Parts: sequence; structure tokens; C-alpha cells
Amino acid sequence: EAGVAQSPRYKIIEKRQSVAFWCNPISGHATLYWYQQILGQGPKLLIQFQNNGVVDDSQLPKDRFSAERLKGVDSTLKIQPAKLEDSAVYLCASSPQTVELPNSPLHFGNGTRLTVT
Amino acid sequence: KQEVTQIPAALSVPEGENLVLNCSFTDSAIYNLQWFRQDPGKGLTSLLLIQSSQREQTSGRLNASLDKSSGRSTLYIAASQPGDSATYLCAALTQIDKYIFGTGTRLKVLA
Repeated sequence: EAGVAQSPRYKIIEKRQSVAFWCNPISGHATLYWYQQILGQGPKLLIQFQNNGVVDDSQLPKDRFSAERLKGVDSTLKIQPAKLEDSAVYLCASSPQTVELPNSPLHFGNGTRLTVT
Repeated sequence: KQEVTQIPAALSVPEGENLVLNCSFTDSAIYNLQWFRQDPGKGLTSLLLIQSSQREQTSGRLNASLDKSSGRSTLYIAASQPGDSATYLCAALTQIDKYIFGTGTRLKVLA
């Protein structure tokens, strides 16, 4: 099966600019996650979708970050305006996990490395 | 609030050694615990998933154990190889359907 696809792989922007990341999950996976991974740390959940509905966005800085999952498939994560501390790797993951399938593994994309200067 | 800790933060061993990576979690109410491998510049690759009702899972040279009562999981790597060099992360799936990740153990296996 094809894996989780993310683009772009790298992005360098200046602070206060905007940026968008795209994710195509594994076909049929109901749950989609966006994580932020700062160098030397574990991934931190930003937002979780179940189909096209938001399950958890409690750690998403909503004044600058936004995300959507159209038609319950692809997803985009946007940052506007970017700050220096947003420099990190942004990882998308998907899972077939639902109430009926609570023990399904996470599958990650290769991530987008964002550098804000 | 669930917290996940991994010790050691970094480990360097000669090729051929057996080694153990540790993962601790504060809240035993988990659905499962998953071990991942992350190579530089890459995403995370799932290695093993242990459901809360299980004690261990094995895949090749890897064996992961889970002790919910003590809040611990270990990843055992037998006969380590230079290709095992990577960062290993554990993640606990909490009752509220959220994965909490540890900060990882950076492993280097020397040829």
C-alpha cells in the first residue's frame, strides 16, 4: 500500500510570512494527525481529524495555525504569520483507528522541515 | 496528565551487543503502547504495537514488553547492527484517543 505522502519536504521562509503543508493519508484511513516535532523532542500533537471532523485541536495555536481536511481525505496545515519558534518538522500521520478498531498503528509521512528566518 | 519518559537519551554500543531501551508512562490507563524508529530527516516507522491486554510483542530481533502496573515498556534489540542506528520513540495511546510521545533514545551502533 502507498504510504502517507507529504509535501513539500523542505521550506524556508522569513518570519511573518505564511506557509502551507499538504498531506495525503493512506487510502481508507479515517484518522489523520498533524504533529510538530522540534529538534531533539518527541512529536507534539497539533490537531486530530476523524474523517473530516476535528477530534482534538487543543494544542493548535489557533491565532496563527489552521488546518482542514476536505472530504475526509487530504489535509492542509497553514501557518500565518510564521514565527521563529515555528521552525520544526511537521509530520502527518494516519490510522484506520476508529471506535471499532481502537488498536491500529500510526503511519507517518516523511514530514516537512520548516525553517523560519 | 499522561507523561512519557525515555531513558537513556542517547546510547552508543559496539556491534553485536544486546541492548534494552526504556519507556516509562505515568498513567496506566492506556489502550496500547507503540514503538517507532526515526531515521535522520525521515518520519517515524512503526516497529511494534503492544495492546494493553498483552505483555509482549516480537518482530525479528526486536522484542517489546509492557508492564502497565509499573508504567513501563522496554524494547530489546538482539545482536545489534550498524543499520539499527536511529532514534527510537515510544508512544502511549491514552483513553482519550491521543498518542503521547517520549523524547526518544538516540542509538548508535558502532561497526
